[in-house]
Amino acid sequence: AQKITQTQPGMFVQEKEAVTLDCTYDTSDPSYGLFWYKQPSSGEMIFLIYQGSYDQQNATEGRYSLNFQKARKSANLVISASQLGDSAMYFCAMREPYTGGTSYGKLTFGQGTILTVHP
Amino acid sequence: DGGITQSPKYLFRKEGQNVTLSCEQNLNHDAMYWYRQDPGQGLRLIYYSQIVNDFQKGDIAEGYSVSREKKESFPLTVTSAQKNPTAFYLCASSRRRDSGTEAFFGQGTRLTVV
Repeated sequence: AQKITQTQPGMFVQEKEAVTLDCTYDTSDPSYGLFWYKQPSSGEMIFLIYQGSYDQQNATEGRYSLNFQKARKSANLVISASQLGDSAMYFCAMREPYTGGTSYGKLTFGQGTILTVHP
Repeated sequence: DGGITQSPKYLFRKEGQNVTLSCEQNLNHDAMYWYRQDPGQGLRLIYYSQIVNDFQKGDIAEGYSVSREKKESFPLTVTSAQKNPTAFYLCASSRRRDSGTEAFFGQGTRLTVV
């Protein structure tokens, strides 16, 4: 069974500094996708970045980058130059492939990390 | 505009009643998901579906039921068997075959038992 673990309930960072949010995962599927989402206090879910299990390069999207270490089964999110608007809950998620056999495309989320950016 | 619509935004239920949360999408997505979120907690998967007339139990399916009669719709019923249904419920959809496609979320329904 797949599992996602975020061990940091809360993180603090100074504005304009970088911060790393940790995520480890466990799966027996060789093919999977890893995602990061941001959830502001409004409750909406905002997609940030994606990393495929076969991707050779770490994904980057603007100020977001994903530090993918496949052997360690970790997919940490790095936010550079933090802004006050980055204060939110951040979720790591993993999706298994859909094969119609024993794999049904299950999308599992971690417990989340609350990030607070200080001015 | 394409998207996912959840209704209602707020829902109040009396103990012992069943209630149904609506989720509709016009993104032509095959996969749809239902999650429950308690205050300050992560998203827990209730049910998910990849094709019409088929769905899978997630990690916390007890006390919930779903149907998938149309590709666009994936309603969730919270039954009286769910002992603590007060929570924030999120519906999501994505393309099925590509594990790299992100899931799009609705705005959520806040259910309160009164």
